[in-house]
Amino acid sequence: NAGVMQNPRHLVRRRGQEARLRCSPMKGHSHVYWYRQLPEEGLKFMVYLQKENIIDESGMPKERFSAEFPKEGPSILRIQQVVRGDSAAYFCASSSATTDTQYFGPGTRLTVL
Amino acid sequence: ELKVEQNPLFLSMQEGKNYTIYCNYSTTSDRLYWYRQDPGKSLESLFVLLSNGAVKQEGRLMASLDTKARLSTLHITAAVHDLSATYFCAVDWGNGGSQGNLIFGKGTKLSVKP
Repeated sequence: NAGVMQNPRHLVRRRGQEARLRCSPMKGHSHVYWYRQLPEEGLKFMVYLQKENIIDESGMPKERFSAEFPKEGPSILRIQQVVRGDSAAYFCASSSATTDTQYFGPGTRLTVL
Repeated sequence: ELKVEQNPLFLSMQEGKNYTIYCNYSTTSDRLYWYRQDPGKSLESLFVLLSNGAVKQEGRLMASLDTKARLSTLHITAAVHDLSATYFCAVDWGNGGSQGNLIFGKGTKLSVKP
């Protein structure tokens, strides 16, 4: 049973470009969460999605960031016009409607030059 | 706003010793999680604590939850080098009633030395 999958694992972008991060939840999981981790810090919640719905986006920056979880395919975290401050590790987690645990993917490490 | 505070943030231990990591949180919650993260890696779930007085043990690690004191502890018994990692506690605080918004502490970086 494959775990949570994220790609790419490493992403380098220049300032002003767009970054697209993908997350495929564990089989049978319909809840997806995105977190951001800055160096030497804990994870910060960004957004919680279920299929085709955003449940809680209280941690998402108001501009440039968006997330979706379509009926088919992976969840996408999109960052437009990246800036150096966006450099971080972005983790996706998933859970099912009946589990209490969020299972984390390996993360995407974004570097903005 | 829910705040989660861990202490200590850095812990250097000798093998064979015992120690406790503390996790305090500021608002009522009945779901608390402990995760382990190795450098450059993802988070591994260790414990899920869902009720007051919950105690769970796995190997040399034992976690407990006191919801009245808003405190969880992660106790390490007879530490070994393999336990060296960063340990995070996280509290589930659904914004506006939804669950799933985990608030993480800053993490405790544990180093176990021979």
